[in-house]
Amino acid sequence: EPEVTQTPSHQVTQMGQEVILRCVPISNHLYFYWYRQILGQKVEFLVSFYNNEISEKSEIFDDQFSVERPDGSNFTLKIRSTKLEDSAMYFCASSADGLGGRARTDTQYFGPGTRLTVL
Amino acid sequence: AQSVTQLDSHVSVSEGTPVLLRCNYSSSYSPSLFWYVQHPNKGLQLLLKYTSAATLVKGINGFEAEFKKSETSFHLTKPSAHMSDAAEYFCVVRGGSQGNLIFGKGTKLSVKP
Repeated sequence: EPEVTQTPSHQVTQMGQEVILRCVPISNHLYFYWYRQILGQKVEFLVSFYNNEISEKSEIFDDQFSVERPDGSNFTLKIRSTKLEDSAMYFCASSADGLGGRARTDTQYFGPGTRLTVL
Repeated sequence: AQSVTQLDSHVSVSEGTPVLLRCNYSSSYSPSLFWYVQHPNKGLQLLLKYTSAATLVKGINGFEAEFKKSETSFHLTKPSAHMSDAAEYFCVVRGGSQGNLIFGKGTKLSVKP
């Protein structure tokens, strides 16, 4: 069964450093998402991406964050200058369809997550 | 705005007894609702989803959930718990124009032998 993969599984970085979290969505999917879960808190939506541009973003997704689909398979989340409060589990998700007639029924498939620790 | 409230942060059951994980939703239109499960050190796996078809939804591993509009509830049940069901369960509603998901705080299910 196809699945979303994420690398690395755990990333440790120093405050102020840039990090890139990588995701390989399911191959025929068109919509891509990043979520994060700070320890002990809810899973929160960060950003959705379709047709090589951001579809929607939350207020968490500020100028320090960017997303990119550099090739046909990878989907990346970059944090330009990490802060202590960026420490969290970051989940990538993909879905076959996010808009149109099937938008409300489509399933998002999640990767195993990358645990980011900022020291 | 859409939201979900999971009424219990922790539920403990004995193996072989029924499981009930409670979720209430708030939505200004007919919602799409999901239950996801997260086993330790694993990703989020979809258990089941409701999308305005049948109100009783069957999912994987013997779980099911019933959409009750009058009670704005979408509780997750299983007749008989198994040790492997121990995990964290998230009730989720689809929100936003682009389909982003809104998660509840999660319910940790413990299963005692």
